[in-house]
Order: sequence, then C-alpha cells, then structure tokens
Amino acid sequence: KQEVTQIPAALSVPEGENLVLNCSFTDSAIYNLQWFRQDPGKGLTSLLLIQSSQREQTSGRLNASLDKSSGRSTLYIAASQPGDSATYLCAVDSRGAGSYQLTFGKGTKLSVIP
Amino acid sequence: DTGVSQDPRHKITKRGQNVTFRCDPISEHNRLYWYRQTLGQGPEFLTYFQNEAQLEKSRLLSDRFSAERPKGSFSTLEIQRTEQGDSAMYLCASSQVVGMGATGELFFGEGSRLTVL
Repeated sequence: KQEVTQIPAALSVPEGENLVLNCSFTDSAIYNLQWFRQDPGKGLTSLLLIQSSQREQTSGRLNASLDKSSGRSTLYIAASQPGDSATYLCAVDSRGAGSYQLTFGKGTKLSVIP
Repeated sequence: DTGVSQDPRHKITKRGQNVTFRCDPISEHNRLYWYRQTLGQGPEFLTYFQNEAQLEKSRLLSDRFSAERPKGSFSTLEIQRTEQGDSAMYLCASSQVVGMGATGELFFGEGSRLTVL
C-alpha cells in the first residue's frame, strides 16, 4: 500500500526567502506525482504534475523535482511572497492494479511572513 | 467559468438526515472522482467514474453512501442517515485521460463542507 509523507508539517519563513517542501513515498511504481495548493476552506489547485519519466517540472517561481528510485519529490518556491501562504499537498498516482486513485500526504502548511 | 463546480458549498444537517452533493466536472473530462477530507488530513479517495460507469469504490464508502453519474455528465453523492463522523469536506475532481492507466492531471472543485450536528 502506497504511503505518502510530507515533512515538515508546518513551515514559517520571511518574505523573499527561497524554500523547499519535501514529499516521500514508499512505492516507486508510480505513473506521476502531482503537487497541489489548498487555501483554508477551499478546494485544491493543481500546481505541477511530474510524469514518472521526468526529473523536474517548472512553472513560474515553482520547481518540482522527482527522484522515483529513492521515493522523493521536492517543491522549490523561489522568492516567497505572503500570497504563497497555504497548505501544499503532494499526491502520488500509483501503478496499483486496477486502481485510479491518488494517495495524498497530509500537507505542509506554509506561512510567509511579510 | 469552465472549472469544476460543486453545490452546495456548505451543508449543516442533523444526525440521521440525508444529504446530497452535486458536482459538475469540466465538460470535456471523462473521469470524475470523489474524495473526502477531514481537518489536518489529505484527501482520501471515495469513488471514481469513467463516463457514466462507477469503476472503483473505496472501503470508506459504506452502504449509506451512494454516487451516480447519469449520462456521464454531472455527479451526485448522497449520504443517508448521516452520522457525526461524516462531517468533512467532500471534494470532486475531474480529469481527461485516453485509454487505461494513469489518472491524469486532476482538477478539483471548491468542495462541499458537511457538518453533522
């Protein structure tokens, strides 16, 4: 059974700092890994999707990497802004037989202090 | 607005009542998913539709829960005889995938928050 862990659970940084969020998963047989952002009381917004054959994906100030063999992904946020404050979730699409569900971590709650 | 929409956004009900949530996916998407999220946790999978066929159900989906997707368009999730443990955010997502295999990139709605008193 796939398990996804995100460390740290919460992170507070001053505005302008670069930061890295971590995601680890136990089963490396995956199709892809997706990073989401969730604001309080809201749904999830897709940030980046990395296919299992890719090493990284970039969108603006965000860069996500994937090391499938070690079961790790990182989300790098450059020049953080107060508007980046949210919970960031990673989710893994596993190659389980006949299963079409994502397995989510519990998220990292990011606070960017002005 | 061409995103995933969910209705109602909030529902407060008394224990034992029935509730129904509606999800309208992105129109060209063939797959629709329901997830449940409780405070401080990541979303947990409930069920999945490929067009109008319900192809997978989680063990979390007890017999009090039923989901439908008539004609492969919108979907409804009904909870009968609600219990306090049903209080959660119910999230709908959709994706467009050709063939079997990966789930594809999921796009979520804003969620329907259920509070059972």
